[in-house]
Amino acid sequence: GAVVSQHPSWVICKSGTSVKIECRSLDFQATTMFWYRQFPKQSLMLMATSNEGSKATYEQGVEKDKFLINHASLTLSTLTVTSAHPEDSSFYICGVQQGFGTEAFFGQGTRLTVV
Amino acid sequence: GQQVMQIPQYQHVQEGEDFTTYCNSSTTLSNIQWYKQRPGGHPVFLIQLVKSGEVKKQKRLTFQFGEAKKNSSLHITATQTTDVGTYFCAPYSSGSARQLTFGSGTQLTVLP
Repeated sequence: GAVVSQHPSWVICKSGTSVKIECRSLDFQATTMFWYRQFPKQSLMLMATSNEGSKATYEQGVEKDKFLINHASLTLSTLTVTSAHPEDSSFYICGVQQGFGTEAFFGQGTRLTVV
Repeated sequence: GQQVMQIPQYQHVQEGEDFTTYCNSSTTLSNIQWYKQRPGGHPVFLIQLVKSGEVKKQKRLTFQFGEAKKNSSLHITATQTTDVGTYFCAPYSSGSARQLTFGSGTQLTVLP
């Protein structure tokens, strides 16, 4: 299966700072990339969907100015958590698809802790 | 909008027992995918069902798509400790707008 590289795997940052998470599709050009947030023992909550070259589509309740998504190329997407607060602490996972409705591949996830 | 319920939320079984998780939608689906997430890991694709009444098997796993394409199930025969994890359905409808959303998941614990 496709390999998706997500970095960093974990990060601790101070409240008020920004954190960038990178997601790379190593095996194929991903037309669509997804960003999720997952709390312990809960499901993956879709934050936004991005297509290369166009702006990300954010889910209701997700602040686009706080969670900046850039899908710069068909193999790279970044999520920047701006002015992070302790309540932003969570597990963030990216997913990629080569085509809509096809098998999705996921990164290893990033454990963000804001202190 | 689309409402999807996945049950049960948790399931503890003795090794060797069978296990089933169900995904029920309030609307007709175009297709449905199933994923497994091991503790501390990321979701891994298991299967995609497209046709009404479709049944697919992968060794001890049997996946079904309902005739009305509103529900789906995953059945594991004779569970093993390696089956431990959370199983998610990911339904697609015509109005999905390219979203990939997940059901609430069923967390399976297999007791040796």
